Formats: sequence, C-alpha cells, structure tokens
Amino acid sequence: DAKTTQPTSMDCAEGRAANLPCNHSTISGNEYVYWYRQIHSQGPQYIIHGLKNNETNEMASLIITEDRKSSTLILPHATLRDTAVYYCIVRPPLGGTASKLTFGTGTRLQVTL
Amino acid sequence: DGGITQSPKYLFRKEGQNVTLSCEQNLNHDAMYWYRQDPGQGLRLIYYSQIVNDFQKGDIAEGYSVSREKKESFPLTVTSAQKNPTAFYLCASSIDLYGGLAGDEQFFGPGTRLTVL
Repeated sequence: DAKTTQPTSMDCAEGRAANLPCNHSTISGNEYVYWYRQIHSQGPQYIIHGLKNNETNEMASLIITEDRKSSTLILPHATLRDTAVYYCIVRPPLGGTASKLTFGTGTRLQVTL
Repeated sequence: DGGITQSPKYLFRKEGQNVTLSCEQNLNHDAMYWYRQDPGQGLRLIYYSQIVNDFQKGDIAEGYSVSREKKESFPLTVTSAQKNPTAFYLCASSIDLYGGLAGDEQFFGPGTRLTVL
C-alpha cells in the first residue's frame, strides 16, 4: 500500500478555509486518494475521493497535483463542528485484491473561534 | 434510516472471558469490515468479509474470530487469546469489496469501546 504523510495537527479559525495537505509520493497510477474524518469517539466519516482530477462535493474540495504525489483537502468555511482527525488514504489498486483502507494517524484539525 | 449499528457503545469484561461485539447493517452492502483503534492511533483491520459465508483475516486477526451467516450481520468475537483487547472497535460496510467506483466508500458504525478489567 502507498504510504501517506500528513501533519500531526493544524489550527483554523472558524469561517476560514482549512487546507489539509497530504503527501503520497509512492502512489501508483491506478490508486485513488480518499479522505475520511473522525470526530472524537465516533466512527470515521467519508468525505471525498479522487483519482486525477480535482473533486468537489457538499462537504469539501480535493485538489490533486498533476504528478499525483500530493493532495490537499479544502474545507471552504470551517466550523467548530469540523474539529476532527482527518485521514488521507491511498486505496490499493483495483481487481484481484481487497480494497482495504489503511489508516495512518491523520491530522488533528482544531477549529477555533 | 439506513445505516450501521453497533451495540453496546461501552462494554466491560473480565480478563479471560470471550466477548462478542455485534454489527448490523441495513444498507444491503456485500462487504463488511472490523477495525480496531487504540488511543492516538489510526485504524487497523482485523477481519473483512466480501460476501455471506466468506471472510478473510486482516492485519491483526490473532485472538479474534468472526462469522458471516447473514448479509446484514458480521459479529466479532474477542477471545481470551487476544493479549490486549481493550480498544475502540469499529465496524464498516461497503457496496462491495473490489470497488473503486464512485460511491463505494466505507460506511462506519458508531463503534464499541471494550474495556477488559
């Protein structure tokens, strides 16, 4: 599985954009980048995923660099409820193997007033 | 409402006892998973199941057992052979195991916090 590297923690003021970086320099051409978040003592929640193109949904935007070696999750207007641990995961190649998710330690985002 | 349920939220057991954690989903998902999370750590995969009557060991299966007799249920038994069973246990499901398509993300339950005394 490709390894991801994320900062241990980040702070963001409420109402501002939160930009969470992730490095995945050994990613393979057919591996997806997934983002989940986990609020304290709850199960992880899916946010977004992408392969090559930038993606946007109602929760966030995902920007993947052209060489695919890094990505950034953007929460456009962070609120206190966005305080959580954010996990960047590279999903194994398709076909023949289980699409298991490997969770690292993630980035702890603290949104403040 | 569709979703995944885990019960109970908190569970206490004496050392040496087996304990079974329940996981039920009504999402009609084929694949189900069990993860363990220790304080300050990411999730580690214990077992996963692609379909009814099938399951495979994950990265840390020793001391655990599972069954998949029904599509909607995937109970996990923590046996006395598990040396450090105290942890937060998370169950998840997805449409199928081999995915990669849009919308095949894993949905997680609320978790069960097991404490062995």
